[in-house]
Amino acid sequence: AQSVAQPEDQVNVAEGNPLTVKCTYSVSGNPYLFWYVQYPNRGLQFLLKYITGDNLVKGSYGFEAEFNKSQTSFHLKKPSALVSDSALYFCAVRDVSGGYQKVTFGTGTKLQVIP
Amino acid sequence: DGGITQSPKYLFRKEGQNVTLSCEQNLNHDAMYWYRQDPGQGLRLIYYSQIVNDFQKGDIAEGYSVSREKKESFPLTVTSAQKNPTAFYLCASSPERQGHSYEQYFGPGTRLTVT
Repeated sequence: AQSVAQPEDQVNVAEGNPLTVKCTYSVSGNPYLFWYVQYPNRGLQFLLKYITGDNLVKGSYGFEAEFNKSQTSFHLKKPSALVSDSALYFCAVRDVSGGYQKVTFGTGTKLQVIP
Repeated sequence: DGGITQSPKYLFRKEGQNVTLSCEQNLNHDAMYWYRQDPGQGLRLIYYSQIVNDFQKGDIAEGYSVSREKKESFPLTVTSAQKNPTAFYLCASSPERQGHSYEQYFGPGTRLTVT
């Protein structure tokens, strides 16, 4: 069975500082990994994904994520946080192995950027 | 929220009544999904459909039913058998293709309150 862990319920960071939102995963095969963002009472918006290739993936709004196979992690990062980045962030994983595999979401991390 | 619409945004029902949540997409996506979101639990998959006239149970299908008569539409019925139906419901779609993994596009959600 596949799983995703987001160990922090909330991350607080000062505006202008770098931010990291952590994600670790478990799959039996190779993973597809995703980050989504959710603003209050809205649907999720796709930020970025890792399929294969370069371990550093760049996405929307200046976000990037680093895939680390040995640590089974896919942490979301941004060099300089904005107040408008405050939202709920979800990591998701999907096993690459054959056939249809559902996507498993983490429980979410609330990011609070302090002015 | 892309080309996915969910209606209504807020829905109130009395206990014991069935209720149907609408989900329509104009993205020409093959796959559609229904998730339930509860605080602190992330997203849990209720049902998914990879093609028209076919759908599969997700992790928490009990008390729910769906249909997929058209590619564009994937309505979810919350029946009176669902023990705790009050939640935020999210519909999503993706251009599912064998051997690929695409991100999901989410609708704005429907907040259902049952009293």
